[in-house]
Amino acid sequence: GQNIDQPTEMTATEGAIVQINCTYQTSGFNGLFWYQQHAGEAPTFLSYNVLDGLEEKGRFSSFLSRSKGYSYLLLKELQMKDSASYLCAVRELNQAGTALIFGKGTTLSVSS
Amino acid sequence: SAVISQKPSRDICQRGTSLTIQCQVDSQVTMMFWYRQQPGQSLTLIATANQGSEATYESGFVIDKFPISRPNLTFSTLTVSNMSPEDSSIYLCSGSWDTEAFFGQGTRLTVV
Repeated sequence: GQNIDQPTEMTATEGAIVQINCTYQTSGFNGLFWYQQHAGEAPTFLSYNVLDGLEEKGRFSSFLSRSKGYSYLLLKELQMKDSASYLCAVRELNQAGTALIFGKGTTLSVSS
Repeated sequence: SAVISQKPSRDICQRGTSLTIQCQVDSQVTMMFWYRQQPGQSLTLIATANQGSEATYESGFVIDKFPISRPNLTFSTLTVSNMSPEDSSIYLCSGSWDTEAFFGQGTRLTVV
């Protein structure tokens, strides 16, 4: 089974930095993904971590600690368009191979 | 990256009827999945679509209700059978490789 936790809501102001945490408990861990989803749209891939450490991609960075079952998504120089839901997803091994299991998502509101 | 096309994008259906949703990927993918997303909630995995064999369903989802086909590496269908208002949701197709996973735009289904 799996259990993925992330905060329900966060708020921040333009230009700031925000860190969205995700903790997970799962068997057969095979990588962690972060997605951004604007209302009414499909999720958009942001990052993938399978080894411990920090992956940086422009204004977005993602960190993973497998021993702690912990990841975070760091967003720098926040912009209004970053207001969205951020989904942490763990890929785990299952009967069919692997599958992405999603957390409930964190709704980020960026204000001016 | 990949482009995943789903159709229909939306539909309004009568209870008791069935709807088949098609998912086409513009390149071969290792894995294909079907998810459901209720309004304001995160994604719930329905099943893994296996090429040339029966899909692997998650707990709470059964083949009689959600038959799935995947005849090749780029195409899959999900049928929502004998629909009831509780099936009203967004259904999303996903394709993945090792380090990335992408989503179609979703099918917004309303059952009346």
